[in-house]
Amino acid sequence: QSVLTQPPSVSAAPGQKVTISCSGSNVDVGNNYVSWYQKVPGTAPKLLIYDNDKRPSGIPDRFSGSKSGATATLGITGLQTGDEANYYCGTWATSLNAWVFGGGTKLTVL
Amino acid sequence: QITLKESGPALVRPTQTLTLTCTFSGFSFSSGRVGVGWIRQPPGKALECLAIIYWDDDLRYSPSLKSRLTITKDTSKNQVVLTMTNMDPVDTGTYYCAHALYGLGSYHFDYWGQGALVTVSS
Repeated sequence: QSVLTQPPSVSAAPGQKVTISCSGSNVDVGNNYVSWYQKVPGTAPKLLIYDNDKRPSGIPDRFSGSKSGATATLGITGLQTGDEANYYCGTWATSLNAWVFGGGTKLTVL
Repeated sequence: QITLKESGPALVRPTQTLTLTCTFSGFSFSSGRVGVGWIRQPPGKALECLAIIYWDDDLRYSPSLKSRLTITKDTSKNQVVLTMTNMDPVDTGTYYCAHALYGLGSYHFDYWGQGALVTVSS
C-alpha cells in the first residue's frame, strides 16, 4: 500500500484527454517535486515529467504535469493507442526518508 | 549517452542472498548531484524503490526492507551493487537500476536499465 494514491485505472477514446491524479500529503507530494513514469509491460519505465511540470527532451507536449497542494496530476491529450500503459508518480517522502512511487494507474485507450 | 545494465542470477533459492550489479556508462559520480537507484516490480504489482546511493555516498533504503539491503558503489568500475539477504518467493520480480538526477529540488530517475528478472524458488 503506497503512501501515494493513484486511481487504479482510467480510460478514454483516441484523440481525447485524460488526467491521472497522485494524492499524497504535506510530507511527500505537498513538500517535494513529483515525477511521472510510463511503464509498458516488458519494457523499462520511461520518465515523462520531472520537477512537477517539466518534460525531458523527446517527450511530446501532449504530456503535461501539474501540482496543487498535496495532489499532482498528469495530463495526456490527443490520446493514442500507443499511450496504453501503466503510469506511476514518484516523489521523496520526507516522513519515511525514502523515495516512493504511487500504486500505478492503468490507462486504456478505447 | 547514459546507459545502465543490470546483471545477476535469474534464479535464487529461498533464504539465499541476492547480489545484483548495475554497470553504467555516460556519467560519473564525481560530477555531483547524481545517484543510482534500484527499483523492482513484482509481477502485476507497482514499482518499488529499494535503495539509492548518491554521489556524496549518502544512502537511502526502503524502510520496510532496510534490514535486508545493502547498496554500494565502485567508482573505478562504474558499478553499483545491491545485495538483498534472506530472499523469499515474494521477492520475485524485475529489478531495475536507474540514474537519479537532481533537478530543482529533488532527484528523479531519468535513465533506466533494461531490468533483470529474478525468480525466487526452491
